[in-house]
Amino acid sequence: QKEVEQNSGPLSVPEGAIASLNCTYSDRGSQSFFWYRQYSGKSPELIMSIYSNGDKEDGRFTAQLNKASQYVSLLIRDSQPSDSATYLCAGSNSGYALNFGKGTSLLVTP
Amino acid sequence: DVKVTQSSRYLVKRTGEKVFLECVQDMDHENMFWYRQDPGLGLRLIYFSYDVKMKEKGDIPEGYSVSREKKERFSLILESASTNQTSMYLCASSLASLSYEQYFGPGTRLTVT
Repeated sequence: QKEVEQNSGPLSVPEGAIASLNCTYSDRGSQSFFWYRQYSGKSPELIMSIYSNGDKEDGRFTAQLNKASQYVSLLIRDSQPSDSATYLCAGSNSGYALNFGKGTSLLVTP
Repeated sequence: DVKVTQSSRYLVKRTGEKVFLECVQDMDHENMFWYRQDPGLGLRLIYFSYDVKMKEKGDIPEGYSVSREKKERFSLILESASTNQTSMYLCASSLASLSYEQYFGPGTRLTVT
């Protein structure tokens, strides 16, 4: 079973703080990883992709990948109330389909 | 800009009806996917297609079929709708490349009564 695990939350952070979202995966063959943001009642929106070990930054978002530890994380700097959403982690082992985690609910409080 | 559209945002059908959900993408993507999303169960893959007229079963294909006659269009068919198929249905597409980034449509919330 190719599992992607996420803490369901909710993770609550104050406005302006750093939100840290974590994800572990069981399939060592996974090569590509993705973070999606999903607002309530809406569809998932791709916000970050990461393919190699290390950090990848895009604006206030930083994705981190550690293949040895089978660990992916997403950091959101200067969190805003508009960042409140469910964040889905997904991995791919170069097959067609992605393996999705069940998501972490983030709440940014003003 | 990436664009995936789905035929309906909300749909209400009766038990036993045949239901068609359509998805269209304008990105010339080879791969297309149908998921359903339920509280506590996350996203579950129903079927996917990697080329015209090609299809592969996902994790929960029972009670569903699909059709892909054109590259840009992927249809999900519920042959005889049942109440346990009440769900949010999401279509996605991706390029046939190592990136495998999937882009989602807005979703169809289907209620079967």
